[in-house]
Amino acid sequence: DTEVTQTPKHLVMGMTNKKSLKCEQHMGHRAMYWYKQKAKKPPELMFVYSYEKLSINESVPSRFSPECPNSSLLNLHLHALQPEDSALYLCASSLVRGLDEQYFGPGTRLTVT
Amino acid sequence: SQELEQSPQSLIVQEGKNLTINCTSSKTLYGLYWYKQKYGEGLIFLMMLQKGGEEKSHEKITAKLDEKKQQSSLHITASQPSHAGIYLCGADASGGGYQKVTFGTGTKLQVIP
Repeated sequence: DTEVTQTPKHLVMGMTNKKSLKCEQHMGHRAMYWYKQKAKKPPELMFVYSYEKLSINESVPSRFSPECPNSSLLNLHLHALQPEDSALYLCASSLVRGLDEQYFGPGTRLTVT
Repeated sequence: SQELEQSPQSLIVQEGKNLTINCTSSKTLYGLYWYKQKYGEGLIFLMMLQKGGEEKSHEKITAKLDEKKQQSSLHITASQPSHAGIYLCGADASGGGYQKVTFGTGTKLQVIP
């Protein structure tokens, strides 16, 4: 199984809502990532987890809260988002944190109204 | 911070033609990745280059790394419609080994049958 899955595929939420994005992999990878991608722009790194511990937070606003409950699962909890947070959210994983290829999920298209 | 400039920004080629995409870094390259993305979808890993002068090929795609020029090129031979998409180079922005990948500006490729 060389797949990273993300749910939901699409999400529309109001600015007062609380929602979560989910990412799962069963490749035994120990590093997992969240990226944000705006239209016609490259992905931007948000968070990196290594061995279920948060190792990089790219100064992301606290309305985004990541969680890594186990080595296969990565969540991104969303609360009080702004319309400018609308984007494609991509999850990725790699074997370890180092110069390894990252496997990406298909992304969650988030719209904040 | 590291910046990766890709050229050209977009490319339209006739099926069967060869093409080259370049990626130039503002800082020393410790590792260089090439990914392909279909609009609104996840990234597909193509190749990773680690050493200066390294060259890798997969099917009709060849990538090279010129460490001295802080540059990488991606060459597609005899292009096909299946090659269409957005090509992104990515580099380790943390000085080596930490998987903090910064992506280039992207090159949009269209292949006309």
